[in-house]
Amino acid sequence: DAKTTQPPSMDCAEGRAANLPCNHSTISGNEYVYWYRQIHSQGPQYIIHGLKNNETNEMASLIITEDRKSSTLILPHATLRDTAVYYCIVRLGGGTSYGKLTFGQGTILTVHP
Amino acid sequence: EAGVAQSPRYKIIEKRQSVAFWCNPISGHATLYWYQQILGQGPKLLIQFQNNGVVDDSQLPKDRFSAERLKGVDSTLKIQPAKLEDSAVYLCASSYNRGAGNTIYFGEGSWLTVV
Repeated sequence: DAKTTQPPSMDCAEGRAANLPCNHSTISGNEYVYWYRQIHSQGPQYIIHGLKNNETNEMASLIITEDRKSSTLILPHATLRDTAVYYCIVRLGGGTSYGKLTFGQGTILTVHP
Repeated sequence: EAGVAQSPRYKIIEKRQSVAFWCNPISGHATLYWYQQILGQGPKLLIQFQNNGVVDDSQLPKDRFSAERLKGVDSTLKIQPAKLEDSAVYLCASSYNRGAGNTIYFGEGSWLTVV
């Protein structure tokens, strides 16, 4: 599976947009980009995923560069409840071990009042 | 829609004892995963089922860990005998199938402390 690189921590002011970057320079054509977050003592929560195109849902937007080597998760109006560890994961779409998620260390996002 | 259910939520056992965790996936989900998350780390896949068959158990410590998914629905993960380093959160997750475009949903986890 392609590896991802995320900053270990980021800060954001409440009400502002939080932009979380992720590098996945070795991504292959059949690998999806997934974002999850994990709030302390809870299981990982799905946020959004994409293959090639930008995606938006009620939680966030996902911007994938044209060469697919990096992406950005955007939380448009961060709240204190968005403080969590955010994981960017590249998920294999084919082959003998496809389907599983391989988590890295993630980015600790802290939203300040 | 009901999410992934896990029990027990918390468990404390002594080393060398045994423990079992139960998972009920989202209805209709064929693929089930067990992950282990040690404090301060990201979750690590232990085993993946497709219906009642094992797809990937390459990172399951088979000398002490076992898992089954009878009838392709509920699953149990067992540890026997437990070691101190098994203290972790055990997360169950499920998806409609293995395809990478299908979202994986996680339960709240079962917290294990081995003393």
